[in-house]
Amino acid sequence: AQKITQTQPGMFVQEKEAVTLDCTYDTSDQSYGLFWYKQPSSGEMIFLIYQGSYDEQNATEGRYSLNFQKARKSANLVISASQLGDSAMYFCAMREALYNQGGKLIFGQGTELSVKP
Amino acid sequence: EAGVVQSPRYKIIEKKQPVAFWCNPISGHNTLYWYRQNLGQGPELLIRYENEEAVDDSQLPKDRFSAERLKGVDSTLKIQPAELGDSAVYLCASSRDRSRDNEQFFGPGTRLTVL
Repeated sequence: AQKITQTQPGMFVQEKEAVTLDCTYDTSDQSYGLFWYKQPSSGEMIFLIYQGSYDEQNATEGRYSLNFQKARKSANLVISASQLGDSAMYFCAMREALYNQGGKLIFGQGTELSVKP
Repeated sequence: EAGVVQSPRYKIIEKKQPVAFWCNPISGHNTLYWYRQNLGQGPELLIRYENEEAVDDSQLPKDRFSAERLKGVDSTLKIQPAELGDSAVYLCASSRDRSRDNEQFFGPGTRLTVL
């Protein structure tokens, strides 16, 4: 069965420093996609970054980068230059069958990030 | 473009009462999802629509939950009768067919409290 594991229930980081949020996944498929979402206290899930299982380069989106280690089945999110507005819950998610356009997302338990001024 | 719209944002009901949630996806998005998010956990899929067809409802508790997406646009999720364990946030999401990164756009959710 597919599974996403986030082992850090909560993380603290000083403003302007970088932070890494861990995510490991389990799947028997060769084709899959990995996502990170941010959920502030308002409740809305905000898409941050995507990595396809066949992508050779690690994904980057502004201050977000995804450290994809396929052999280890890990997809850690790195946030550089943390800002107070980054304080939120962060969810790692996986979707199997890369070209299955409508596949469901399987989410981890989430990591609550708190940025200190 | 406007995002995914959900209403109501909050709902408090007593157990055994019925409740309904409404979702309007992003214009042009053919795929619509309903997720349930229990406190302290990640969302879990309840049902997925491709246009007006429910293509994955394996996680939907069909004895009390129902959903519809008439005309392939708006969708309604209903619970009848509600139980205490149904207290959660119900998230609606939509995605555009053949989008490269298959991003799902989420609405703000409906927070349901069953007393």
